[in-house]
Order: sequence, then structure tokens, then C-alpha cells
Amino acid sequence: NAGVTQTPKFQVLKTGQSMTLQCAQDMNHNSMYWYRQDPGMGLRLIYYSASEGTTDKGEVPNGYNVSRLNKREFSLRLESAAPSQTSVYFCASSEGSLGPQHFGDGTRLSIL
Amino acid sequence: GENVEQHPSTLSVQEGDSAVIKCTYSDSASNYFPWYKQELGKRPQLIIDIRSNVGEKKDQRIAVTLNKTAKHFSLHITETQPEDSAVYFCAASKPGTYKYIFGTGTRLKVLA
Repeated sequence: NAGVTQTPKFQVLKTGQSMTLQCAQDMNHNSMYWYRQDPGMGLRLIYYSASEGTTDKGEVPNGYNVSRLNKREFSLRLESAAPSQTSVYFCASSEGSLGPQHFGDGTRLSIL
Repeated sequence: GENVEQHPSTLSVQEGDSAVIKCTYSDSASNYFPWYKQELGKRPQLIIDIRSNVGEKKDQRIAVTLNKTAKHFSLHITETQPEDSAVYFCAASKPGTYKYIFGTGTRLKVLA
């Protein structure tokens, strides 16, 4: 039982390149989330998917797109990477609202 | 908008002493309050949570208290150990949303 799995773990991009971060969960959770974590700013929600087939913007959605591919998988895409998107990205999942969210190990993304 | 303030930002305690971290939330409709521990380079992990129909919850050396009237909740760690050293995040969530509002984190250092 792996929980929440994110790939890749590390990535370096050049400004303007595109990239998709992958996330999969094996807990049969309905809801999935993408956060970014920057020093001194805690975790900020980028997008979330309350259930399969739905996605909604979070606090900082600009520059990102998401796809809920099926119940297990939720991907985050950077269409044209910018240095301001250098961050650690965490995917999380939960059974539904008002319950604990379980996090993956993160993707450390640097954009030069 | 909704926000969660967390204090202090850093906390140093001697091994064996107690540590207290406080969070204040703005939205009175919030009713679920998780606490996460994040070790350096690792994922945030849920350590304890509380719902608004409960005033206090304990799990071994960790406890959380909630004061709905004052809109604040606190994490208490007793008999601290070096392995308690980490960054701790509080969060708040309310019915009908899937969003956590995170505090900015407290870096706890337990000095041996």
C-alpha cells in the first residue's frame, strides 16, 4: 500500500518549457489536491478535484492546469514554466471534505 | 478572506519540556482542524486532528485544544524529544469546501 505516489521527485526546467507532474493514490479516495510549498509561506492550494470528473481552482491557480484522469490519478501541468514556479509541489488525497488529507513525497521543481 | 495565523514561527525548547503552538482562524464556520508535522525534506504527516464538537483531544504526548468562541486552537507536546524537531502546520476547513487553509508553520527545535 503505497499511499500517494508522485513522479518525478526532482526536475529542472528552463523557462518556457512545459512539464506534467503525476500523482496517483491507491486508497480509493474521492478527493485529490495539488499544493505548492515555498519557504516561509506554508502550503498553498493550486487546484483540487472533489471527485472524479471535477476540478476547481484553489488559492494560486495561475500558470497551471490539472487533469483528473480517473479516480486514482490527478496530474498538474505547467504549460510555460516561469522561475516563479520554482517550488516543492505536493499532491494529497482524502476520502472527501472535512477529513484528513494524505500527502505524497513531493516534487522538487527548479526553473532556470 | 479566510486565513489562519500561527505562532510562534520558531520555538526552541529543552528536551523534556513542553511545547505549545497556537493558531487563530478567521472563519467561524470552520469545523475541522488538523495538525501536520513535516520533517526536513519529507512530506507533511497528520499527527492529530479535532472537530468543532470536541474541546480537546489527546494522543499520548500530543494534545490539541479548541476554543470556538475565541476561534483558536493549540497543539501541546509534552516531554519533548529530539525527534519532535520539525515544522508543524495547523489548518482549518469548513463544511461544503474541500480546502484547507494552512498556517505558515512553526519550526520546533528540541535541544538535547
